[in-house]
This record gives sequence, C-alpha cells and structure tokens, in this order.
Amino acid sequence: EVQMLESGGGLVQPGGSLGLSCEASGFTFSNYGVTWVRQAPGRGLEWVSSISKSSTYIYVADSVKGRFTVSRDNSKNTLYLQMNSLRADDTAVYYCARILVSGSWYFDLWGRGTPVTVSS
Amino acid sequence: EIVLTQSPGTLSLSPGERATLSCRASQSISTNYLAWYQQRPGQAPRLLIHGASTRAAGIPDRFSGSGSGTDFTLTISRLEPGDFAVYFCQQYSSTPPTFGQGTKVEIK
Repeated sequence: EVQMLESGGGLVQPGGSLGLSCEASGFTFSNYGVTWVRQAPGRGLEWVSSISKSSTYIYVADSVKGRFTVSRDNSKNTLYLQMNSLRADDTAVYYCARILVSGSWYFDLWGRGTPVTVSS
Repeated sequence: EIVLTQSPGTLSLSPGERATLSCRASQSISTNYLAWYQQRPGQAPRLLIHGASTRAAGIPDRFSGSGSGTDFTLTISRLEPGDFAVYFCQQYSSTPPTFGQGTKVEIK
C-alpha cells in the first residue's frame, strides 16, 4: 500500500524540542521531494518545509526558520522534522506529504498527521 | 507571498445539488499552478485538482476546476454524502506555497 506515516508528536513545554518522523512505503521514496504541512486547531493549512529528493534543495517557512530543520534518509525511506525553541503557536497537527512532480509543489499523498501540543 | 481568499466560508446544500466554490488570489498565479484539496473531519487532505483543472488520479468527474490568473473555481456537479467536507485551494506558483482558509460544504 502506498502511504506515509508520521510519528513523534506529543506534548512539549514552550522552549522545548521535538523530533517528528515520516516513514514512506509502497513507492520509491528517493524519487520524490517531500514536505511538511501543519494545521493549527480549527485553522487552515500552513506549509512548513520542503526537501528535494536528494536533499540538495531545502526550503523553510519564515515562521519556523532558524528553529525547525528538515532532513531525510532515503535508505530508511524516512523524512524528519527537528523542531527546537517551540512556541505555543507551533501547536498543530503536522502532516508529511509527497511532491508528485519536482518543481510543482502540489501534494498528492498525505500521511494521517501527528499532533504537537506546546503548552506548560 | 500570495494570499488566497476562498468564498463562501460555508456552503449549505442538499445531496444532489451543485456546489460552486471560489478561490481568489492576491496576485496572478502563473501557469495556473493552483490545486484543490478535500478534507473530511479527522482526516488528512486529499488532492482533487492540480494545474487549476486537472483531476488527480481516482477523482470522479463530478469534480471540476476552472479559472486562470487570480480567479479560480471548484465545481462539484452533484453532491454525494461523502462530499460534505472542507475544501482548500493552494497555489504553488511561488514560494512559499500558500493555502486558502477553506470553504466548508455542509448538509442543508
């Protein structure tokens, strides 16, 4: 089955750190760019970060720049998001998604999401 | 960044009716790099349309997209029970990619 599955979400205090993972299966992970998108409770979708298939190109939203780091391990079919200096407004469900066509950032395959709550 | 404004915020319709959703961009979207997603409660978004009018794999033909420049439309020709959900547009013409705030299609 073609799917992406996130893990690592949870409750963290403001200023803390958390690492998310997204494991892909059913397709050749190394052939695709991938992305993180988040959705705050009751809110819309916000793009967070994208990484090209060979990690050559990395893009990060201004709202998380300097705090979040995206990476991938193609040998493990896994995408990562390291989140540091977390704030209350980082509270959201974090989705990983596949970029079907390189250079065209629409997302054809999404994981189910992992919730992150930043609260004391 | 390009701001996308969706209207209406909520659309109340009955099964079998036609739904017309609007997405307006703050500046022209080149190459019609506009996508639409459906999100059912508690689920991840599902890609419906890309390139403003190309249906994604497995999407039924009752979903259609149109428009260019700054004005885009998603039309659902005959609503089925599973179509009552929230719909988001997204532009990928420039970085950062941005999403509209969503239109909720609810059962009247």
